[in-house]
Amino acid sequence: EDKVVQSPLSLVVHEGDTVTLNCSYEVTNFRSLLWYKQEKKAPTFLFMLTSSGIEKKSGRLSSILDKKELSSILNITATQTGDSAIYLCAASRSNTGKLIFGQGTTLQVKP
Amino acid sequence: DGGITQSPKYLFRKEGQNVTLSCEQNLNHDAMYWYRQDPGQGLRLIYYSQIVNDFQKGDIAEGYSVSREKKESFPLTVTSAQKNPTAFYLCASSTRLVGSGGVTDTQYFGPGTRLTVL
Repeated sequence: EDKVVQSPLSLVVHEGDTVTLNCSYEVTNFRSLLWYKQEKKAPTFLFMLTSSGIEKKSGRLSSILDKKELSSILNITATQTGDSAIYLCAASRSNTGKLIFGQGTTLQVKP
Repeated sequence: DGGITQSPKYLFRKEGQNVTLSCEQNLNHDAMYWYRQDPGQGLRLIYYSQIVNDFQKGDIAEGYSVSREKKESFPLTVTSAQKNPTAFYLCASSTRLVGSGGVTDTQYFGPGTRLTVL
């Protein structure tokens, strides 16, 4: 059965800290790994990773995929209170359009 | 502005009632999806549709039904057969990959409907 597992499930840090969120997957015919940020309602798209070892960056957020280890990490540097959210990881299967989501990591950034 | 809208934002249902959640998109996307989100469980796929007049069951379709009569609309009915319908429901859409016939992996989400059974 396909599955995606995120760790930790929750995390509390202080502003300015750097955090690393983990995502591992076991998905048949894997195609890509996606990260989303969910603040209260709609998850918003952060990154899609298809190639191993190539880092994607957006401001203080970055992510990388390791296809050998079947995993991905999301790094957030110099965290701010606005980074508080649930971070969702999802893996896609080739040609189906279906995403398999992990449980999410709840990040709380304290002032 | 292009986007996905869901209505209502909050919905209360009595036991034994069917209710329908609306999802509309003006992104011209071919594929649409319904997910259910429970605390600590991430998103689980209920139904999806890659083209008008066609849809497939996801991982937790029992007690739900959908229709896809128009490209921009994908309503979800939560029937009385759904044993534990209280949850947050999210609709998403994605577009088609150029040339391949498949859909892109990046899905864009609506704001959600919170359903509570009284």
